[in-house]
Amino acid sequence: QSALTQPASVSGSPGQSITISCTGTNSDVGGYNYVSWYQQHPGKAPKLLIYGVSNRPSGVSNRFSGSKSGNTASLTISGLQPEDEADYYCSSYSSSSTPHYDFGTGTKVTVL
Amino acid sequence: EVQLVESGGGLVQPGGSLRLSCAASGFIFSSFWMTWVRQGPGKGLEWVANIKSDGSENSYADSVKGRFTISRDNAKNSLSLQMNSLRAEDTAVFFCATHRNWAFDFWGQGTLVTVSS
Repeated sequence: QSALTQPASVSGSPGQSITISCTGTNSDVGGYNYVSWYQQHPGKAPKLLIYGVSNRPSGVSNRFSGSKSGNTASLTISGLQPEDEADYYCSSYSSSSTPHYDFGTGTKVTVL
Repeated sequence: EVQLVESGGGLVQPGGSLRLSCAASGFIFSSFWMTWVRQGPGKGLEWVANIKSDGSENSYADSVKGRFTISRDNAKNSLSLQMNSLRAEDTAVFFCATHRNWAFDFWGQGTLVTVSS
C-alpha cells in the first residue's frame, strides 16, 4: 500500500487556473473511476471536493473540477481565490494486495 | 446536519491500547459505510480502516492489520476503533468519516493520539 504521487506545491495568482496531478497505477487510479479529492485548511478536517473522478458534491464550487487520463487524475481550480490556499489530497480505491484506499502525498496550493 | 464527534484520544505508552469512539448524528447512521483516516504530525492523510453499514464487512491498512479493530453499534449511532500494540508511528490525529460513492464525504474534527514513553 503506497501513496499516490502529487506535486509538493503549486502556486498561482488570483483569477488564474491551476492543475494538481495525482499519479497512481492501473491497480488504483487507472483501474477504477473511484478517485476523490479533498481540501484541508491548517488545523481543520479535510473537505470532499470531488468524487468519482469528476463529480462535485452539493455545495462545492464549480471552480473545482476533476478529470482522469490513464493512471493520472487531475484537479483543476479555476478563478483562483485567496481562500483556496490549502493542502489538497487525492484518494483512490486500490485492488492491489487486499482492497484498500490510498491517499496522495498532498499538494500545498499557494495563492500569490 | 451531519455531525461526527471523535473522542478517546490521549497519551499512551508504546505497546499500550486505546479505544477511539465516533458519535454520529444528523443522518441514518445504519445506512452508511464508515471509515477511520489518520494524519501524523505534519504528514499526509492515511486511510486506516472501513466498515460496512451493517458491520458485516471491514478492511484495514496493512500498517494496522492485526493491531486495530473497527466496530460499530448502530443502535447507539457509534463507531469505534480499538487500537492495541501501539507504536510511536501511530501518533496521529484520527478522523472518522462517512463513506459513500467510494469517497469520504463528511468528516469529524479528529482526536489526537500520542504514543510516547
